[in-house]
Amino acid sequence: EVVLTQSPATLSLSPGGRATLSCRASQSVGSSLAWFQQRPGQAPRLLIYDASNRAAGIPARFSGSGSGTDFTLTISSLEPEDFAVYYCQQRTNWPRTFGQGTKLEVK
Amino acid sequence: EVQLLESGGGLVQPGGSLRLSCAASGFTFSSYAMTWVRQAPGKGLEWVSSITGTGGSTYYADSVKGRFTISRDNSKDTVYLQMNSLRGEDTAVYYCVGGVPAINYYFVYWGQGTLVTVSS
Repeated sequence: EVVLTQSPATLSLSPGGRATLSCRASQSVGSSLAWFQQRPGQAPRLLIYDASNRAAGIPARFSGSGSGTDFTLTISSLEPEDFAVYYCQQRTNWPRTFGQGTKLEVK
Repeated sequence: EVQLLESGGGLVQPGGSLRLSCAASGFTFSSYAMTWVRQAPGKGLEWVSSITGTGGSTYYADSVKGRFTISRDNSKDTVYLQMNSLRGEDTAVYYCVGGVPAINYYFVYWGQGTLVTVSS
């Protein structure tokens, strides 16, 4: 099973700031990694797929990078609606696995 | 507009059974792999099970293998999750998820979830 480890667990930033979230895989997943955003009380929403491709309707301030075992989600200038929990997920191997999440909170 | 509408959640005693349903609309259902993802209260996301568009292949998390069965009826645009021998640790919101074939079946479409509570 591929274990995904996200860091930090919590990130405290101010609106307008830049957020950098990390996801590390226990073995290579190539570029088969996605990022999701989950706001309180809502279902997750796909932000990034194949490590760096923005999903339909996702603002350009969200970007993804990385391959192999190390991946990064960057939010260039935080909007109030961006404060949420973010998960990475791999689709290289079965079982599909998610990271434990990074909570992005207002400083 | 794509919609995934889950139903069938509720309160069940340990050892009991439930069947979740997910009715899909707004896309060519038979072309999409479908998945169930769950989220225990206050916890992260956990992949549970997936089924291919034809229903010919199914996949399960070790935590549910042998107890849960995923199936689909493409004539009804519906996917199911039969859950047997339920345990307290199965308590969670269960999301129905559609994987879009054009982008390698990534989890694009999510329902709003149905809550399953396993308790005596």
